[in-house]
Amino acid sequence: QKEVEQNSGPLSVPEGAIASLNCTYSDRGSQSFFWYRQYSGKSPELIMSIYSNGDKEDGRFTAQLNKASQYVSLLIRDSQPSDSATYLCAVSTAGNMLTFGGGTRLMVKP
Amino acid sequence: KAGVTQTPRYLIKTRGQQVTLSCSPISGHRSVSWYQQTPGQGLQFLFEYFSETQRNKGNFPGRFSGRQFSNSRSEMNVSTLELGDSALYLCASIDSSYEQYFGPGTRLTVT
Repeated sequence: QKEVEQNSGPLSVPEGAIASLNCTYSDRGSQSFFWYRQYSGKSPELIMSIYSNGDKEDGRFTAQLNKASQYVSLLIRDSQPSDSATYLCAVSTAGNMLTFGGGTRLMVKP
Repeated sequence: KAGVTQTPRYLIKTRGQQVTLSCSPISGHRSVSWYQQTPGQGLQFLFEYFSETQRNKGNFPGRFSGRQFSNSRSEMNVSTLELGDSALYLCASIDSSYEQYFGPGTRLTVT
């Protein structure tokens, strides 16, 4: 069983819609959670970090964490074609060692 | 503020050779981590360095090693290269909030 699971997609949403990306993790001791965006041929770019239960908003992005359910999600409001990328969920279980999910490919259609 | 720099950006090596990759973190960051990204295995943690000390190591063979210098620059070395070592090698600079910022990566091709 993979430690961090994501649906590989592709997740297709129309421009202007809300994209909802989900991630589950297996280690209950996980403390820090991150969302990265990776465009094809580029390196991952940090979008959000979240450390405590609840929601954290930054512009069009909202990260949600539920440690009891071992679930992290990322909502992208007013999705734009430029948001089309692979979104990686990462979980820190030991110091700064990040365990990544396989990523969800998001396609935003104009 | 300058970002993370990695050199070289592209590298082609032959099986059995060794390779050294370099990473300069964001100014003021004292911790760096290294990851390998392949289509089959995704992103996998290699190791983390803080103040010249290795703090964590991933599940990779001993052919993979690294070090960090007093100026926080880091290098990783892969000896006796295998075809399966072909990958994008990413260095991340870690800030005081434990957020990791990736460099552009070094794409290694082993033939």
